[in-house]
Amino acid sequence: GEDVEQSLFLSVREGDSSVINCTYTDSSSTYLYWYKQEPGAGLQLLTYIFSNMDMKQDQRLTVLLNKKDKHLSLRIADTQTGDSAIYFCAESINDYKLSFGAGTTVTVRA
Amino acid sequence: DAGVTQSPTHLIKTRGQQVTLRCSPKSGHDTVSWYQQALGQGPQFIFQYYEEEERQRGNFPDRFSGHQFPNYSSELNVNALLLGDSALYLCASSAPGLSTDTQYFGPGTRLTVL
Repeated sequence: GEDVEQSLFLSVREGDSSVINCTYTDSSSTYLYWYKQEPGAGLQLLTYIFSNMDMKQDQRLTVLLNKKDKHLSLRIADTQTGDSAIYFCAESINDYKLSFGAGTTVTVRA
Repeated sequence: DAGVTQSPTHLIKTRGQQVTLRCSPKSGHDTVSWYQQALGQGPQFIFQYYEEEERQRGNFPDRFSGHQFPNYSSELNVNALLLGDSALYLCASSAPGLSTDTQYFGPGTRLTVL
């Protein structure tokens, strides 16, 4: 089945690290993605991880994948006000479609 | 390098009308997918077009139809609009020949049905 779940809200102080968690159900997912959506805008691809990897780092972003528990996380180091947005976790189903979570709203406070 | 573009940006229609949304894929991409994002929710897959054919379809009624042109651009048509069709419609393009088949999204078309 396809069902991606995320916590809905995260509040973080500027300069701290943010960690956004996601669980997915389709064990055949090849790739898992993180997208960012700012108000009134489309989705911006942040990063992705192949299912045979357990970690990927890209500048301030670190993705951790626990395939056994079907758990994905995104860590943003040194969170800035520009990181305030909705973050979506998505799994690739059959290489055709993406199945998204409901999104985690991240608010960065000074 | 132009990204994914969509038109129009905003659209207001009344119940029962028909609407056509347009999408041009990122340069070098040949596959277009459409998603519906209702307020406060994640995007839901409508369908995907490749080689001018609908390759896969999500759980949407036949009122939702599409087309892909030889230049890989695509249209999404929705007939007999309902209030519940109000949403942000997102187009994404990808290139299956690449290893990741990563989908890149356009800015979306905001459809309001009154």
